[in-house]
Amino acid sequence: GIQVEQSPPDLILQEGANSTLRCNFSDSVNNLQWFHQNPWGQLINLFYIPSGTKQNGRLSATTVATERYSLLYISSSQTTDSGVYFCAVLGGTASKLTFGTGTRLQVTL
Amino acid sequence: GAVVSQHPSRVICKSGTSVKIECRSLDFQATTMFWYRQFPKQSLMLMATSNEGSKATYEQGVEKDKFLINHASLTLSTLTVTSAHPEDSSFYICSAEGTMNTEAFFGQGTRLTVV
Repeated sequence: GIQVEQSPPDLILQEGANSTLRCNFSDSVNNLQWFHQNPWGQLINLFYIPSGTKQNGRLSATTVATERYSLLYISSSQTTDSGVYFCAVLGGTASKLTFGTGTRLQVTL
Repeated sequence: GAVVSQHPSRVICKSGTSVKIECRSLDFQATTMFWYRQFPKQSLMLMATSNEGSKATYEQGVEKDKFLINHASLTLSTLTVTSAHPEDSSFYICSAEGTMNTEAFFGQGTRLTVV
């Protein structure tokens, strides 16, 4: 099946800093989503982005499907951005999402 | 975005008892729902795919007799952990999608503790 790797695995930022999270996948995809898992465990949808670029406030994402990666940009980070960020892909003929390994982000004051 | 509600959010049960977790799509009809399990500091692992009106498809290594899934309507799927043991303690989370291979939305998750 498709493999999904995220980097970095852990990231500590000072409030106000910017960061880039990366998601690499091993095969072509029909769907790619970014999620933020908050400290209570809930997965919040950030982007549905099988290709192209999208922006939502301080967050933006770019997927380059031909090169099999996606990037999530967080600008002017806030403590509420802390948590785990997952990308998940739907590859090839699959009918179920495969989750990446996650990036654990901690934003400090 | 669409809303998926999962209930209960937290449950503690005794070994040997059964626990039912509900997953509802509140504002759309979900032809497919998925059940995941997440261990501490790990990613989500798919347990099974639930299609309305048909039997669930379980991932390799998941005991179908232990984790009973029912998807009786287009807005409700249930996961029943039968004869629970302490090793079943985990975070369980469901997702739903309206039409096939579109954006998935997740419930709040259920933290199960078996004592």
